[in-house]
Amino acid sequence: DIQMTQSPSSLSASVGDRVTITCRASQDITYYLNWYQQKPGKAPNLLIYHASKLETGVPSRFSGSGSGTDFTFTISSLQPEDFATYYCQEYHDLLFTFGPGTKVDFK
Amino acid sequence: VQLVESGGGLVQPGRSLRLSCTASGLAFGDYAMSWFRQAPGKGLEWISFIRSNNYGGTTGYAASVEGRFTISRDDSKSIAYLQMNSLKTEDTAMYYCGDSSGFYWGQGTMVTVSS
Repeated sequence: DIQMTQSPSSLSASVGDRVTITCRASQDITYYLNWYQQKPGKAPNLLIYHASKLETGVPSRFSGSGSGTDFTFTISSLQPEDFATYYCQEYHDLLFTFGPGTKVDFK
Repeated sequence: VQLVESGGGLVQPGRSLRLSCTASGLAFGDYAMSWFRQAPGKGLEWISFIRSNNYGGTTGYAASVEGRFTISRDDSKSIAYLQMNSLKTEDTAMYYCGDSSGFYWGQGTMVTVSS
């Protein structure tokens, strides 16, 4: 089974900061990777699919890159509504494994 | 599009529960559907999917639930089900249904397994 790791597990940032989260798969998943945002008490919200494709309606400050085993998620200029937990998820092997999440909070 | 989960609640270890996911606003029969869960304070876990009957309706399960949980679908009612048997305390979580692309999610139904 594919294992997903994320780093960091948490980070503190300020409004306007550039935030980068990395996700690593234990084996090649080509570009079969989603990125989600989740706020407390809410269902996850899909932001990025196919590693780099922005879901419709998602602000352009969010972006994703990478392929194979190493992926990056970036928020170019952190906004107040972006404080949340972010998860990567692979869908290469139909086990849809999630990474452990990265919590982004106020510095 | 709306996905509404129901059927959660408090149940004793070893007992069963059936969750439902009622869909509206989408061609339900064309979608592969999944169930996910999130234990309190923990991360997301995918637990099961079912393909569209157009693709054979095949199913898949996470190792943590295989043999205990069964996913099914009724396209005439636009409902996906999760039959959960032999429940354990570690199955306590918010259970979400969603389409397997990850775009559509319900708001979840809480399952608490406790004596």
